Amino acid sequence: DIQMTQSPSALSASVGGRVTITCRASQDINNYLNWYQQQPGKAPRLLIYGAINLQTGVPSRFSGSGSGTDFTLTISSLQREDFATYYCQQSYITSWTFGQGTKVEIK
Amino acid sequence: EVQLVESGGGFVKPGGSLRLSCAASGFSFNNAWMNWVRQAPGKGLEWVGRIASEADGGTTDYAAHVKGRFTVSRDDSKNTLFLQMNSLKVEDTAVYYCSVQTYGYFDWLDHWGQGALVTVSS
Repeated sequence: DIQMTQSPSALSASVGGRVTITCRASQDINNYLNWYQQQPGKAPRLLIYGAINLQTGVPSRFSGSGSGTDFTLTISSLQREDFATYYCQQSYITSWTFGQGTKVEIK
Repeated sequence: EVQLVESGGGFVKPGGSLRLSCAASGFSFNNAWMNWVRQAPGKGLEWVGRIASEADGGTTDYAAHVKGRFTVSRDDSKNTLFLQMNSLKVEDTAVYYCSVQTYGYFDWLDHWGQGALVTVSS
């Protein structure tokens, strides 16, 4: 299996602040990397697919970058509704794996 | 509007079995690739398995930790996805989500159900 490692596991940020979450794959996954947001008690929601492509309806303050083994999710100006847990997920091989999650909390 | 509604969750003893269902509506279920993802209490997301559309062969794939114990199936006449879980272990305790896979050059999970809680305990 491909291991996905996110950092940090949790962070505190202020409304309006900039947030960067990293995801590292244990092997080259090209750009087969998705990002999801999960709010407490809710199902996950796709934010970004193919490492850099914003899903329809997702605000433009979210962006993704990276290729190969290192990827980044950036929230340019954090809004109150963005406080949630974020997961990366590889779709490079048939057996998909998720990162352990990054919880974004209010400072 | 896409709707996915899981059912069949509950309490089961280690070694027991349970079958989850996912009723789908609002999209062409027979053409969809469907997945199960689970989340243990307070933990992260874990992919469980998928089934391709019948047109694409109806093939199934599983995560290593459930292979041989869990079976994903579908009934396109009833727009329903199933997850048969046998030889359940305490560590299988989780909320189980069904999800629609968008596939092409990139694959991702687009729509999700609300989840069904499975508790395995003696």
